[in-house]
Amino acid sequence: QQQVKQSPQSLIVQKGGISIINCAYENTAFDYFPWYQQFPGKGPALLIAIRPDVSEKKEGRFTISFNKSAKQFSLHIMDSQPGDSATYFCAASGGYQKVTFGTGTKLQVIP
Amino acid sequence: DAGVTQSPTHLIKTRGQQVTLRCSPKSGHDTVSWYQQALGQGPQFIFQYYEEEERQRGNFPDRFSGHQFPNYSSELNVNALLLGDSALYLCASSFQTGGRNEQFFGPGTRLTVL
Repeated sequence: QQQVKQSPQSLIVQKGGISIINCAYENTAFDYFPWYQQFPGKGPALLIAIRPDVSEKKEGRFTISFNKSAKQFSLHIMDSQPGDSATYFCAASGGYQKVTFGTGTKLQVIP
Repeated sequence: DAGVTQSPTHLIKTRGQQVTLRCSPKSGHDTVSWYQQALGQGPQFIFQYYEEEERQRGNFPDRFSGHQFPNYSSELNVNALLLGDSALYLCASSFQTGGRNEQFFGPGTRLTVL
């Protein structure tokens, strides 16, 4: 049973535009929601993370919005750059830190 | 300060063989988790080691086993390899004692089963 649903599967954004990736979870025991960025041939790198006691977290051009009642969270990438082209995974964890990943969004930022 | 390291980088095996993958956690981390990432998919949790014991396991058969050493490094063993075991195997380390959930991933080992 997939516990973290992610959309869209792929995304093409113009340079300078806003990239938005959405995720939804089912397990209310989750208490930590990270986003990972993965380049081809590399391991996932932690980008930004949020806990359910806040509704928004911003780090530079990256913002997580969190809606606890709807069990949804999203990643916004402002002023998207070609260097942001990668696969992005939302994830969720609780308890002993097992991380459940979404299916990934392949982002392409075109000049 | 070195991050999470994994060896080897790439590995080619044939069906039925056995393989051992290795992971050294980030300095100061005491917990190691292993994930399998098939092409085009998100990582799937295999198991986690803390204090040299398997603490939690995902939906993987007993052919997948592991070990954690006193220096916190870890091994993943896969027996009787199947074609479907071809994937990127990722190791992630974290600091459990600190009560934080941040996991840092290594570059992975690309396993190809022929």
